[in-house]
Amino acid sequence: GEDVEQSLFLSVREGDSSVINCTYTDSSSTYLYWYKQEPGAGLQLLTYIFSNMDMKQDQRLTVLLNKKDKHLSLRIADTQTGDSAIYFCAESITGNMLTFGGGTRLMVKP
Amino acid sequence: DTEVTQTPKHLVMGMTNKKSLKCEQHMGHRAMYWYKQKAKKPPELMFVYSYEKLSINESVPSRFSPECPNSSLLNLHLHALQPEDSALYLCASSLAEAGGSYEQYFGPGTRLTVT
Repeated sequence: GEDVEQSLFLSVREGDSSVINCTYTDSSSTYLYWYKQEPGAGLQLLTYIFSNMDMKQDQRLTVLLNKKDKHLSLRIADTQTGDSAIYFCAESITGNMLTFGGGTRLMVKP
Repeated sequence: DTEVTQTPKHLVMGMTNKKSLKCEQHMGHRAMYWYKQKAKKPPELMFVYSYEKLSINESVPSRFSPECPNSSLLNLHLHALQPEDSALYLCASSLAEAGGSYEQYFGPGTRLTVT
């Protein structure tokens, strides 16, 4: 069955790198996504990666995909206080159905 | 433009009221979604419309009634809700063609409180 798991909480200092991890169980995932949600707001799509890729970089964001271990990570370089939010990973298997992880709350300390 | 708009931002309604949530996008997306999100939880899918037709209903109670009047608009009609229906209701849209990346763009949500 489908299951996407994330650690609940991550705390980093401003200027450090943050790494948010996600594991999934369905090897037929086609796309994997990272969303950011600030308090009281909707979900902002940050980036996504196709399952035949290992890495994708977009400015301060780097996504790594280890398909063998079904492990996805999001690295945020030079983390800022504005990066404090909940980060959700999600997988897409059957087209437009997304399965979300439980979310990781990132706290950035000045 | 990757904007999905939702109105109202906040809604308080009694259990006997009838209200509607509205969602609009102008990205040419032909798939639109309603999600329900409780505090500290991920969004839960409720409905999917594809080309203005309801394609997925995740066993949502009939007190929630979706409607897609055209390719840009999505409504959620609410009637006889329960206090446990209080949540953030999110609308999203995406391309609908097979083989695409299906990235979904979300609106800011409607914070619903049922009293």
